[in-house]
Amino acid sequence: DVKVTQSSRYLVKRTGEKVFLECVQDMDHENMFWYRQDPGLGLRLIYFSYDVKMKEKGDIPEGYSVSREKKERFSLILESASTNQTSMYLCASAGAGGYTFGSGTRLTVV
Amino acid sequence: RKEVEQDPGPFNVPEGATVAFNCTYSNSASQSFFWYRQDCRKEPKLLMSVYSSGNEDGRFTAQLNRASQYISLLIRDSKLSDSATYLCVVNMATGGFKTIFGAGTRLFVKA
Repeated sequence: DVKVTQSSRYLVKRTGEKVFLECVQDMDHENMFWYRQDPGLGLRLIYFSYDVKMKEKGDIPEGYSVSREKKERFSLILESASTNQTSMYLCASAGAGGYTFGSGTRLTVV
Repeated sequence: RKEVEQDPGPFNVPEGATVAFNCTYSNSASQSFFWYRQDCRKEPKLLMSVYSSGNEDGRFTAQLNRASQYISLLIRDSKLSDSATYLCVVNMATGGFKTIFGAGTRLFVKA
């Protein structure tokens, strides 16, 4: 089974902090994604990557950046956290069998 | 108009009931379709793919209507454990390749 591991289940950060969310997958997938999920809005794509060192903006990239230095690892960076970035963050890896999600990181910015 | 739309619900049904969800999509270039299930405070997980010919997996049946641009999920003999949010997912080929997740339909199955 594809396994996607996110480093933290819950995080509380202060406004203005730089935040790193880590995601690792173990199935050699080229495609990886970062979403945020908010009530009533569903999953919104922040950034995605189809290859090492490659990144593409999704629908809501503002305030975020990403890093993909190794195939198995895709990191999401909040350069200066703000309260409107309080959300559930989901990493996903995709192959022929569809998307597999990590268990999510619930980030609260205070 | 959203690219993928679902009735948010919630659908409240008794155990043993049959319940159906629809999902409409706006882009006729949509190529593949899926239903995902998301339990409370958990990540979405693939429930089933949706094929043009329709497909069934136990109590679950998925169908695609390309002419009317919607997909459906039918759950027969509902169980308490079916309580979850069901996400409709559409893959589109629009210059690149794009996956759109619906906002989900909440289902509560009551004893």
